[in-house]
Amino acid sequence: GAVVSQHPSRVICKSGTSVKIECRSLDFQATTMFWYRQFPKQSLMLMATSNEGSKATYEQGVEKDKFLINHASLTLSTLTVTSAHPEDSSFYICSAQSSGSTYEQYFGPGTRLTVT
Amino acid sequence: GDSVTQMEGPVTLSEEAFLTINCTYTATGYPSLFWYVQYPGEGLQLLLKATKADDKGSNKGFEATYRKETTSFHLEKGSVQVSDSAVYFCALSDRGNTGKLIFGQGTTLQVKP
Repeated sequence: GAVVSQHPSRVICKSGTSVKIECRSLDFQATTMFWYRQFPKQSLMLMATSNEGSKATYEQGVEKDKFLINHASLTLSTLTVTSAHPEDSSFYICSAQSSGSTYEQYFGPGTRLTVT
Repeated sequence: GDSVTQMEGPVTLSEEAFLTINCTYTATGYPSLFWYVQYPGEGLQLLLKATKADDKGSNKGFEATYRKETTSFHLEKGSVQVSDSAVYFCALSDRGNTGKLIFGQGTTLQVKP
């Protein structure tokens, strides 16, 4: 149980285009989802916290208009990288937190974004 | 702000060797502490956790004890296997229970037969 999927697993796009990444909790309802960014050989950096039905809360330094997050249902959150640039190339990871009280996060396998 | 520091890797060990990966933290209040493992091509998985001082988390032969006096949560295993090769992340979650995790930089473990 507690499986989180991400789609796509990897994507290559041209500069200036937008890319949408989906994060789904497959067998539980997630009231909260988190989006992280991971640079090579570095830690996961929290980008934003997404609560179902409300606006995402972004961490300091993360551009809200560039990284659009939507959490429209209890099983789906999306991250859209708008007007992508090569410096946006990274590994994006989502996690989902169940509605229970354990506050445990379940992580997706990540999406490798390459902007050319 | 809160932070987590892990020993730099990679750590290379022979099978059946003893493993220690050091983790120290800085936090206001009393955070919960976690170790996550990321196997190649997979997402992070919770390995173990401890929610208060002197708690010991354990799973799959791995152990870590929440040491408030030294602000540490070192990961240990008595005898590693090739299948333990992965990246290990230490993390903390604040007591505000926002669910936000702060991660260390990760330590790559490679176990050779």
